[in-house]
Amino acid sequence: KNEVEQSPQNLTAQEGEFITINCSYSVGISALHWLQQHPGGGIVSLFMLSSGKKKHGRLIATINIQEKHSSLHITASHPRDSAVYICAVPLWGGGADGLTFGKGTHLIIQP
Amino acid sequence: DTGVSQNPRHKITKRGQNVTFRCDPISEHNRLYWYRQTLGQGPEFLTYFQNEAQLEKSRLLSDRFSAERPKGSFSTLEIQRTEQGDSAMYLCASSPGTGLGGELFFGEGSRLTVL
Repeated sequence: KNEVEQSPQNLTAQEGEFITINCSYSVGISALHWLQQHPGGGIVSLFMLSSGKKKHGRLIATINIQEKHSSLHITASHPRDSAVYICAVPLWGGGADGLTFGKGTHLIIQP
Repeated sequence: DTGVSQNPRHKITKRGQNVTFRCDPISEHNRLYWYRQTLGQGPEFLTYFQNEAQLEKSRLLSDRFSAERPKGSFSTLEIQRTEQGDSAMYLCASSPGTGLGGELFFGEGSRLTVL
């Protein structure tokens, strides 16, 4: 079964800073998910990626399949980016599996 | 389409009672997942359906839990003889079920409080 480690658990930064959140997993996978959860809110999918890099607005996600590692970057961070960011991978590595989730990174961006 | 819908949003019940949650996925999505999330933790996988077939169940899903997805449309998650440890947010997600699993779309969740 896949194990997911995220770091840091908590991150407080000033508006405008470049943010990096890291995710490592133990079993080879077909795809990795980055998700966002606002306090008291639902979960929103940010990225699903299986190789290389994806960009959406100020968010960039990268993955290194050989090293079993992914990063989520936020450029020009803004207070509205404050949320919990969660990395998730298939439980057994396969595409149709249920996901196992990291504990999340609680990000606070101060104005 | 308004996305994944879950009902009720919040349920308060007494220990020992039965509760049922409903999830209406995005209409063309053939995969449906149930997860459970407790405060401060990431979600935990409970079970998933490909159309009407329940393909995988977590060991977290004791015999007090049952899930169905008749006709491959909406799904229900029933918890019998609730215990205080069942208090959590129950999340439903659906995906189009492409080869890599597809992007997940989550509902807002159903929060269960067992007194």
